[in-house]
This record gives sequence, C-alpha cells and structure tokens, in this order.
Amino acid sequence: DGGITQSPKYLFRKEGQNVTLSCEQNLNHDAMYWYRQDPGQGLRLIYYSQIVNDFQKGDIAEGYSVSREKKESFPLTVTSAQKNPTAFYLCASSISRGPYEQYFGPGTRLTVT
Amino acid sequence: KQEVTQIPAALSVPEGENLVLNCSFTDSAIYNLQWFRQDPGKGLTSLLLIQSSQREQTSGRLNASLDKSSGRSTLYIAASQPGDSATYLCAGGDSNYQLIWGAGTKLIIKP
Repeated sequence: DGGITQSPKYLFRKEGQNVTLSCEQNLNHDAMYWYRQDPGQGLRLIYYSQIVNDFQKGDIAEGYSVSREKKESFPLTVTSAQKNPTAFYLCASSISRGPYEQYFGPGTRLTVT
Repeated sequence: KQEVTQIPAALSVPEGENLVLNCSFTDSAIYNLQWFRQDPGKGLTSLLLIQSSQREQTSGRLNASLDKSSGRSTLYIAASQPGDSATYLCAGGDSNYQLIWGAGTKLIIKP
C-alpha cells in the first residue's frame, strides 16, 4: 500500500526541548510539505521541499527546521525557539511542486508543557 | 494575498438530505481548488481536485464546482449519511502553487 506515515501519533515534551517528527512516503513523490493545524484555523505551511537536498520556508518557519536527505523522508524538528509549539502537525506530499493533488499523513499531535 | 473562507463553521442536517458546503476565495487567479475531509484527530483525505480550467469534478455522491469569476467553490453531497460526518476543508492553489486554506466546515449528519 502506498501512502504517507507519520510517527509518533502523540508526542509530549517539556518546554525547552527540541523534538523531531517523522514523515515517510512511498509514493515516489518529489514534493513534500509540513503544515501546522490549530483549532478553528486553516492549515499553515511550515516548510516544503521540491526535491532531495532542497527545502524552502513557508509562512511560519520560525522555530522549525527540516532536512531532505532522502526522497522518502522529510523530518521536522520543532526547536525550543518555537514559542507556541503545541499543535497538530501534518505532513503531505505531491508528485511535484505545482497544481497537483496533495496527499496527507495521519498527523502527529505535539503537546509541550 | 489570497484568502479562503468557509461559511458556516458548522452545519447539522438530517440523514438523507442533499447539502452544499461553501468555499469562497478573494483572488480569481487560482490555480486549483481542492476539497478534503478530516475526521476527528486524523489526517486529511483528498476528495476532489478541480484545476483552474475545469468547472466541476464528481466522485460518487460528491460534486465540486469552481466559479473563478465569483470567487466561489461548492461541494455538493447527495443523499447524506451519518458516515459523512466530518470536517470539510477547501484549499486554493495560488500563483506560487501554495495551498491557501479555509478553516473548515464541521458537518454533522443526524440519523
């Protein structure tokens, strides 16, 4: 089965700690994305990657970092610099950057106390 | 800058009714419009994608339309079922191919 996996489903961290969220896809897609979802708001783009070893900041990149060393993997690190990290994080991919359908993973709910 | 709005934020209808969900956008230079479904605590499932050159797309009981001149897209659900209960999100692709999202409409189908 082709798809996108995210792990873990739930993540709890203490304030001041960095945490890395995993995203893996086996769809052979070039483009991958990280979004943040907060209650009552639309999704907001954190980072995206068009191809391996390339990534670009989205609208809310401050306090986050990513890497794209493999086509299949696009991990997101939430650093201690992110002022309000508690949120639902969604990873997506599309065949390429462009007007193409995006497919989403199941999400990771991060709670920082 | 493109803005996407979904009204109402919540909708409750009896089972079996046909219903329409609305999505409006401010910039007619939209590259595509995608509708998603999200169940509580879950990821998003893509329902329909309409490219800017298209007027509508259909999948089963779902029909999505796109009217760029009026800045509006609708998602029509025929013969609604309790299993259709979810939050429905629309997102428009801007000139940078970035999706701009509405906040969603929470749909409840009452048995």
